[in-house]
Amino acid sequence: EIVLTQSPATLSLSPGERATLSCRASQSVSSYLAWYQQKPGQAPRLLIYDASNRATGIPARFSGSGSGTDFTLTISSLEPEDFAVYYCQQRSNWPRIFTFGPGTKVDIK
Amino acid sequence: QLQLQESGPGLVKPSETLSLTCTVSGGSISSSSYYWGWIRQPPGKGLEWIGSIYYSGSTYYNPSLKSRVTISVDTSKNQFSLKLSSVTAADTAVYYCARVHPQHDAFDIWGQGTMVTVSS
Repeated sequence: EIVLTQSPATLSLSPGERATLSCRASQSVSSYLAWYQQKPGQAPRLLIYDASNRATGIPARFSGSGSGTDFTLTISSLEPEDFAVYYCQQRSNWPRIFTFGPGTKVDIK
Repeated sequence: QLQLQESGPGLVKPSETLSLTCTVSGGSISSSSYYWGWIRQPPGKGLEWIGSIYYSGSTYYNPSLKSRVTISVDTSKNQFSLKLSSVTAADTAVYYCARVHPQHDAFDIWGQGTMVTVSS
């Protein structure tokens, strides 16, 4: 079973700063890696799929990169609404199961 | 615009079966190659995938829950459902239903979630 590890657990930054979030898989997941944003009391929202493709309506300040076992979500310049928890997620080939990482909280410094 | 809405009891007794339904509106659950899933989130914790179902009825479950989970689809009602048996306090969580994009294997549309508490 593939395990996803996210770092750091918490990232304290100021609006306007650049955020770099890491997701590492215990074995290769090719490019089947997605990123989600979750705000308190809300359902998660898909940001990035296939490691680097922005979902519909996602601002260009969000970008994803990586392949294999190491992935990065970058927020180029934090807006006030970006302070939230971010999860990565992968789907293994066989068995066809999904796994989420433990999350990274981006909070206001 | 496609929307998903979870429904079911908010309180379930220990050892009983948790039953939730996700109603899909704004589109047909069987008209495309999308598939559907359930995810849960215990209070203050992260996301856990429970299982997924194709409109054809094929299912995939989280190995840690597989012995207790059943996901089914009712195309006539445009719904899919979750049953989790022998629940304990550890099953207390917000339960989300979501659509899975078949080409990207990502959950692209989510319901708002429903809180289920397991308590006597």
